Amino acid sequence: QQPVQSPQAVILREGEDAVINCSSSKALYSVHWYRQKHGEAPVFLMILLKGGEQKGHEKISASFNEKKQQSSLYLTASQLSYSGTYFCGTDSSYDKVIFGPGTSLSVIP
Amino acid sequence: DGGITQSPKYLFRKEGQNVTLSCEQNLNHDAMYWYRQDPGQGLRLIYYSQIVNDFQKGDIAEGYSVSREKKESFPLTVTSAQKNPTAFYLCASSGGAGQPQHFGDGTRLSIL
Repeated sequence: QQPVQSPQAVILREGEDAVINCSSSKALYSVHWYRQKHGEAPVFLMILLKGGEQKGHEKISASFNEKKQQSSLYLTASQLSYSGTYFCGTDSSYDKVIFGPGTSLSVIP
Repeated sequence: DGGITQSPKYLFRKEGQNVTLSCEQNLNHDAMYWYRQDPGQGLRLIYYSQIVNDFQKGDIAEGYSVSREKKESFPLTVTSAQKNPTAFYLCASSGGAGQPQHFGDGTRLSIL
């Protein structure tokens, strides 16, 4: 079953922060986060495993609440290069990742 | 450099024709995946394979077929039974559960 993402779209000014949420009705083994620019392939950002630690990458970090089967992606001090569509992917069966519908993020000067 | 190569980049299909999309990886990954992406939409899983000579249907397998005769290769055939094949097709591979997926650059398929 496809995970739910919110918000569907967000517009930020440079330097502002954003949070993107992902939730599943199934018990999860891992949550993946990817960013896709228009017309390009998705690019891996980070993966959070059940029982693992919160991950961070420069000004982008994520958390995974195993009890609620929810994950959040945090983007701080956004840059123009952060624009794109963010997808979460969930793995509840140890063999495949199902992606959410995506969150469109636009950063404007 | 290791990576995933998809070809062709653009493909056109005539009515009633089968077409095959190529996906090759040199990352030594066991798992490979095919996704379909429609404009403004997310990625939907078509087929996936965890090991050579074995594959499973994803959420939208009807009208598609795959083979996995070699670890490096996972071609996707879009058959004439797929009535709405126009989409962006993405191939990915990973080292297994809990590992990131690496994507190819995709193939855009259109109907003539």
